[in-house]
Amino acid sequence: AQSVTQPDIHITVSEGASLELRCNYSYGATPYLFWYVQSPGQGLQLLLKYFSGDTLVQGIKGFEAEFKRSQSSFNLRKPSVHWSDAAEYFCAVGAYSGYALNFGKGTSLLVTP
Amino acid sequence: DGGITQSPKYLFRKEGQNVTLSCEQNLNHDAMYWYRQDPGQGLRLIYYSQIVNDFQKGDIAEGYSVSREKKESFPLTVTSAQKNPTAFYLCASSTVAGGPSGELFFGEGSRLTVL
Repeated sequence: AQSVTQPDIHITVSEGASLELRCNYSYGATPYLFWYVQSPGQGLQLLLKYFSGDTLVQGIKGFEAEFKRSQSSFNLRKPSVHWSDAAEYFCAVGAYSGYALNFGKGTSLLVTP
Repeated sequence: DGGITQSPKYLFRKEGQNVTLSCEQNLNHDAMYWYRQDPGQGLRLIYYSQIVNDFQKGDIAEGYSVSREKKESFPLTVTSAQKNPTAFYLCASSTVAGGPSGELFFGEGSRLTVL
């Protein structure tokens, strides 16, 4: 079965600084990978996804992620963080055989002035 | 607008009572899901359904029940057998059923508090 690890529970960055959120997955075949964002008390919104092809994927709100098979990673990046990016971020993995996504435990992002 | 509607947004329940959370989607999606979210635990799958009149247990199905009588509706009942029901519940749907995992579309969630 596939699984996801987000090593960082909380991350604090200054506004305007760059951001990288880590995600490692465990899955025997090529995974389907997703990043979602959640504002407090809200549902989840998809930032970006990777199914195949170019390993660098672009998403909404200026986010990007890179799939690295050799490291089993799918890290999320943003060159310059805005205060409105403060939220909880979830990495998720899916499978070809069709099943609900498995989510990591999330990383809470705090943005300081 | 197409989307997923969960109701109620907030719900309080006394111990020993069953409660049903509503989830309706007008996206014409085949598959629907219920996740539970607790602080620091991420999202854990309760039940999912890939087709009308069929559903499967997820990782934490004990104390919960669902039905899928209509394509657009997937209500979740939290029964008195659920030992720790206070949580944030998220409903989701996707276009894909029985095939590669697709993007999930989420509702805004229902927060259940047991008094």
